[in-house]
Amino acid sequence: GAVVSQHPSWVICKSGTSVKIECRSLDFQATTMFWYRQFPKQSLMLMATSNEGSKATYEQGVEKDKFLINHASLTLSTLTVTSAHPEDSSFYICSAREGEGISYNEQFFGPGTRLTVL
Amino acid sequence: DQQVKQNSPSLSVQEGRISILNCDYTNSMFDYFLWYKKYPAEGPTFLISISSIKDKNEDGRFTVFLNKSAKHLSLHIVPSQPGDSAVYFCAASRAGNNRKLIWGLGTSLAVNP
Repeated sequence: GAVVSQHPSWVICKSGTSVKIECRSLDFQATTMFWYRQFPKQSLMLMATSNEGSKATYEQGVEKDKFLINHASLTLSTLTVTSAHPEDSSFYICSAREGEGISYNEQFFGPGTRLTVL
Repeated sequence: DQQVKQNSPSLSVQEGRISILNCDYTNSMFDYFLWYKKYPAEGPTFLISISSIKDKNEDGRFTVFLNKSAKHLSLHIVPSQPGDSAVYFCAASRAGNNRKLIWGLGTSLAVNP
């Protein structure tokens, strides 16, 4: 159980275009989903937290107009990188968490999406 | 300010021996701690967790020990296997704040055959 998928697993796009990344919880309902970014040989950096049906909470320094997050259902959250630039190239990872029970404290991660902006 | 610290960036262990990965934290409000394992270009995989009301939690080859007075936790893997070679992240959370995880920088474990 507790499987999280991400799509696409990798994407290459031109500078100035927008890219959408999907995160799905496959076998549980995720009241909260998190979006992370990881640079090479560094730890995970939390970008934003999204609760189903409400606006995402962004971490300091993360541009909410550039990284649009939509958590429209209990099994799907999307991250859209708008007007992507080469510096947005990174490994983006989502995680999902159930709302109740002992697993409330545990986040389950997707496999990540490698974004390369040319 | 690094609230969760993994001071050893790497660790090398012989197959069959014990691996001990350490983690220190500074925020006394943390009440839940987790260990994740990560391979390159993949998402982290949850390994084991511990609540602050306990001092030990065991799951198969993995045991996590928590010393609240020292604000220290450790992950023991015994016996270590080559497949355990990965980066291990320690994370902590507290009530409120959406229980977001605060991450250490990771320790790269190499288990040698």
